Amino acid sequence: DTEVTQTPKHLVMGMTNKKSLKCEQHMGHRAMYWYKQKAKKPPELMFVYSYEKLSINESVPSRFSPECPNSSLLNLHLHALQPEDSALYLCASSQLRGFYGYTFGSGTRLTVV
Amino acid sequence: AQSVAQPEDQVNVAEGNPLTVKCTYSVSGNPYLFWYVQYPNRGLQFLLKYITGDNLVKGSYGFEAEFNKSQTSFHLKKPSALVSDSALYFCAVRPLNTDKLIFGTGTRLQVFP
Repeated sequence: DTEVTQTPKHLVMGMTNKKSLKCEQHMGHRAMYWYKQKAKKPPELMFVYSYEKLSINESVPSRFSPECPNSSLLNLHLHALQPEDSALYLCASSQLRGFYGYTFGSGTRLTVV
Repeated sequence: AQSVAQPEDQVNVAEGNPLTVKCTYSVSGNPYLFWYVQYPNRGLQFLLKYITGDNLVKGSYGFEAEFNKSQTSFHLKKPSALVSDSALYFCAVRPLNTDKLIFGTGTRLQVFP
């Protein structure tokens, strides 16, 4: 299995809703990432998990809450989002350090109304 | 500050002609270099990487990239463009001993029939 699977593919939520994005990989990668991507822009790093521990938080607002229950799963919990949070949310995984790139999922297209 | 530059927002080329998408970087040490491609509403797909060795690296779908250390460049090339190559291309670098990928701003490649 050489894929990163993200669900759901599309999500529409109100500003008072609570929702979660899910990401799964079975490649044995011990680093997992959340990125946010606006249209025609490069991905922006949000969080990095190394060995299931949060290692990087790029000053992301607390309305985004990551969770890594085990080495294969990564969640992003969403609460009280703003319309400007509408974007493509990408999950990725990689081997730690070394000369490895990332394997990206197809993303969740989030719309906040 | 570490950065990656893609000086062209868009590159237009006729089908069958060679293409080049430019990338330069400003990162300390000898980082690992990558190219990714993104089709509409999809995640990023790995094309190729440079770690060490031969300055010309070959990747997926007939793409190759030329590393130039003195110019700190890593330009993406293809001898004969296809209409299906039309997509958004990102150059990325991974500094040594980090888990972060630093992305360029992206170049939209448009191949005309």
